[in-house]
Amino acid sequence: GAVVSQHPSRVICKSGTSVKIECRSLDFQATTMFWYRQFPKQSLMLMATSNEGSKATYEQGVEKDKFLINHASLTLSTLTVTSAHPEDSSFYICSATDGKGEKLFFGSGTQLSVL
Amino acid sequence: GENVEQHPSTLSVQEGDSAVIKCTYSDSASNYFPWYKQELGKRPQLIIDIRSNVGEKKDQRIAVTLNKTAKHFSLHITETQPEDSAVYFCAARYNFNKFYFGSGTKLNVKP
Repeated sequence: GAVVSQHPSRVICKSGTSVKIECRSLDFQATTMFWYRQFPKQSLMLMATSNEGSKATYEQGVEKDKFLINHASLTLSTLTVTSAHPEDSSFYICSATDGKGEKLFFGSGTQLSVL
Repeated sequence: GENVEQHPSTLSVQEGDSAVIKCTYSDSASNYFPWYKQELGKRPQLIIDIRSNVGEKKDQRIAVTLNKTAKHFSLHITETQPEDSAVYFCAARYNFNKFYFGSGTKLNVKP
């Protein structure tokens, strides 16, 4: 299957700082990537769809100014959590469909803890 | 968008027994239905999937069935083993693009 790399795997930051998370497709070009958020023992909530070369599409209820997404190339999408607060603490996981645009593969996730 | 519901939330079975997890979806435009297995602290792994033009698909001990009319699909695991213990998520691909997930089922296989 397609390989999706995500960094960092874990980050602890102070309230008010910004955190950037990178998601890379290693062996295929991903025109579309997806960012999910997962609370402990809960499901994967789609936050936004990241499109290469254009603005991201955010799901209802997700603050686009809080969660900045940039899809600068066919292999890289970044999620920046701006002015992080403790309630932003969560597991963030990116994903991308494979070269055929069908199967969805996940990065390893980033555990964000905001103190 | 799409709404995916998944049941049960937890499932305990004895090793060797079968396990069935059921999902329903709301939008008939959804056309692809994957299942994922997620172990604690790890990324979800695709274990089986089915397209909307197929009613059933099997891969060794795992099978998935789809009823388009009723808008529901199920995961069947036979001869369960302790290593099958994990959280399982169903998903539906909506509008050829977005994937929406069910709430997850924690499967516990008792030795």
